[in-house]
Amino acid sequence: NAGVTQTPKFQVLKTGQSMTLQCAQDMNHEYMSWYRQDPGMGLRLIHYSVGAGITDQGEVPNGYNVSRSTTEDFPLRLLSAAPSQTSVYFCASSYSLNGQAGITEAFFGQGTRLTVV
Amino acid sequence: AQSVSQHNHHVILSEAASLELGCNYSYGGTVNLFWYVQYPGQHLQLLLKYFSGDPLVKGIKGFEAEFIKSKFSFNLRKPSVQWSDTAEYFCAVNADGQNFVFGPGTRLSVLP
Repeated sequence: NAGVTQTPKFQVLKTGQSMTLQCAQDMNHEYMSWYRQDPGMGLRLIHYSVGAGITDQGEVPNGYNVSRSTTEDFPLRLLSAAPSQTSVYFCASSYSLNGQAGITEAFFGQGTRLTVV
Repeated sequence: AQSVSQHNHHVILSEAASLELGCNYSYGGTVNLFWYVQYPGQHLQLLLKYFSGDPLVKGIKGFEAEFIKSKFSFNLRKPSVQWSDTAEYFCAVNADGQNFVFGPGTRLSVLP
């Protein structure tokens, strides 16, 4: 199993450009999520999905869109990049046990380091 | 809303010193608790987790954590750190069965 795969690993964008960060998992996990990591702030949840066709907003959703057309893929779209979106982005997946996702850990991808200039 | 605080931003220790990293959360109900480690340039990896039962949980690489419900705490400990433990450590809580709330992280530097 590859686990959670994110592409690209590094990206530089100009302000106003759009792009999609890819995330795929091969563990058949129902739950997928996107976090951004900024110094001193830990990981903050951007968007999450509890299954194909279902997405919801996290703590910091503005400027980002997601979709979940398949169980495996959960892309994150930056609509119009801003310097404030310079960050490291992590995708994670987890699965439920007895209907409770919280009792299993999250599996993380390697991260995408995004710089917006 | 849930929140997680970690007591120390940066901890510097010499090899063989003992480690304790503090973690407190704010949520009155049942929680699942986690410690993750992030080595330089890498993704987060699970160190240990608490769901129920014995409040003293043991994880990988000699780490352990104790859940004290009355103090809303889940502190991470290791009796003797190594240079290879240099990393950033994140405490996380999952209370609603779906989303993880992470603390701001504690950077540990172990001097050889």
